Order: sequence, then C-alpha cells, then structure tokens
Amino acid sequence: GQSLEQPSEVTAVEGAIVQINCTYQTSGFYGLSWYQQHDGGAPTFLSYNALDGLEETGRFSSFLSRSDSYGYLLLQELQMKDSASYFCAVWSGGSYIPTFGRGTSLIVHP
Amino acid sequence: GAVVSQHPSRVICKSGTSVKIECRSLDFQATTMFWYRQFPKKSLMLMATSNEGSKATYEQGVEKDKFLINHASLTLSTLTVTSAHPEDSSFYICSARPTSRITYEQYFGPGTRLTVT
Repeated sequence: GQSLEQPSEVTAVEGAIVQINCTYQTSGFYGLSWYQQHDGGAPTFLSYNALDGLEETGRFSSFLSRSDSYGYLLLQELQMKDSASYFCAVWSGGSYIPTFGRGTSLIVHP
Repeated sequence: GAVVSQHPSRVICKSGTSVKIECRSLDFQATTMFWYRQFPKKSLMLMATSNEGSKATYEQGVEKDKFLINHASLTLSTLTVTSAHPEDSSFYICSARPTSRITYEQYFGPGTRLTVT
C-alpha cells in the first residue's frame, strides 16, 4: 500500500521561512506534488517533482529525494495569506491517480 | 484558464432524499474527472474516477449504488448521492484532468458542502 507522513500543524511568523516535510512509502513512485487549500476552498496545485532536487517557483520551492522517499515544501517571506493546509501527494504505480497525505495546517502569525 | 466549477456549492437535504452535484470543466476538455470526499481537517479521500463515455471506477469501500457517477460529456461529470443519510454529510470535491495535458495536472472544483438532516 501507500502511506504518506506530514506534520499536522506548523506555525511561523510573517516574513519567516518554513519547511513542510513529507515522507512516503509506495511502490512504483514517479512523482510528488504539493497542493494548497484554504479553509472552505478547493486545493490548488503548487508543484510537482519527478527528479531529485529543488524546484523554485517564486516564494515557494519544492524538494525531492527519491532515495530517501522524502520531499519538502519551502515557503519563504511568509505572508498571512499563506495560512492554509498544505497536502503532499504521491504519484505511483502507473495509475496517474495521486494519493494525498493528511495535510499540514500552516498558521502564520503577525 | 483551467477552471472547474461545481454546483451547488452548498446543499441541505433531508435524510432519504437524493442529491446531484455537477462538476464542469469550463475552458478545457476532461476525459477523466475525479470525485473526492473530505472531512473537516482531513485529507482528500478519492471516491471514484470518472471517465467520459464509460463506467466510473470506484475505490474500495465506496458503494457504487449509493454514489452514482455519470460522465456524459468531456466537460461534465455528475455525482448523485442516493438515499442520503446524515453520515453522508461532507465536503465533496471534484477535479478534472485536461485531456491534452500531462498526466499529473488536475484542477479542482470549489467543492460542495452537503448537509443531510
């Protein structure tokens, strides 16, 4: 089966940098995605990593280590609007259907 | 671009009645759409994969006779919760995968909050 682990909650102050980790166990892995979801809203796609390394998109970066079955989402220059839930999702097994983690609630304080 | 709509956004129904939720891709075609269920502060649970013109594929534990899915066109999939009970109250979210795009892309609808009284 597949399993993903990510912290349930992370808190940080405005302007800081925060890292949300995700470890996974799966067979036939081929990619890791991150999604952001505000309360009552739809998940929005943030990033996708298929290869080892860091992918940067503005204030957000995503990292993957396939050998360690580990990835993280890095948020820089935190803003209040970044307060949301962040889900990692693994793509594996050739089904092209992601499996989502339980989500990390990020709380940004002024 | 890549907008997915859901209707209704909120619905309250009485126990025993049926409710239909629509998911539309507004500016792209989607051969495949997905239906998820989400409980408060919880992850997205995939219920079924909907493929245009064919039967939906349900995840283990999801009753196909209770959650009817129809994907009649490349832009519309519907989820009907039949004989709804209070335990069916949840946030239902659909997503659509553009037909012509890379496989990990999917766009989520805004969700439908179902409350069964």
